[in-house]
Amino acid sequence: DAGVIQSPRHEVTEMGQEVTLRCKPISGHDYLFWYRQTMMRGLELLIYFNNNVPIDDSGMPEDRFSAKMPNASFSTLKIQPSEPRDSAVYFCASSLWGQPDNYGYTFGSGTRLTVV
Amino acid sequence: DQQVKQNSPSLSVQEGRISILNCDYTNSMFDYFLWYKKYPAEGPTFLISISSIKDKNEDGRFTVFLNKSAKHLSLHIVPSQPGDSAVYFCAASAFANDMRFGAGTRLTVKP
Repeated sequence: DAGVIQSPRHEVTEMGQEVTLRCKPISGHDYLFWYRQTMMRGLELLIYFNNNVPIDDSGMPEDRFSAKMPNASFSTLKIQPSEPRDSAVYFCASSLWGQPDNYGYTFGSGTRLTVV
Repeated sequence: DQQVKQNSPSLSVQEGRISILNCDYTNSMFDYFLWYKKYPAEGPTFLISISSIKDKNEDGRFTVFLNKSAKHLSLHIVPSQPGDSAVYFCAASAFANDMRFGAGTRLTVKP
């Protein structure tokens, strides 16, 4: 399996522009998570899905952020309009409920977003 | 609301010595705890975990200790190696699939 795949790896955009981050989870995993990593707060959970349904979006910072999971193999995180304070590394992770020994989540390599 | 706290942003240790990374949590409902390791430009990878029914779990050079009464866990690395230099995240979950992470501790192991 190729693991969790995120695109793009790097994104530089101007303030006010729309940004879309993409994630392909591991096939067969039924949970998908979006995290944001910053120096101050570490890894923050933004939203997670179970079987493509959003379960908890309480971590989404503002209405400018939205996430979708139209099918089991694809999810997007959209920021519109983007602001410089959104600059961070965004990680997607997936997991399978009840997997033996619960090795936790498998993370993608992240998207480094810079808003100038 | 930081439910998982790693109060030391960085730690420097000499090769061959013990590294001790600490983590505190506030949510008494957490029943599963994990440590992740992260290298630059990569996603975090699972390192070791412990269930709340245990107080110690060991895997090679890595041992995690859990003190439920103090809501504290720690990761011991013995002996430390330069390749262990990375950011270590403590994580906890209450329902197996809602994991909260700490801010991370950057470990540097000097040769």
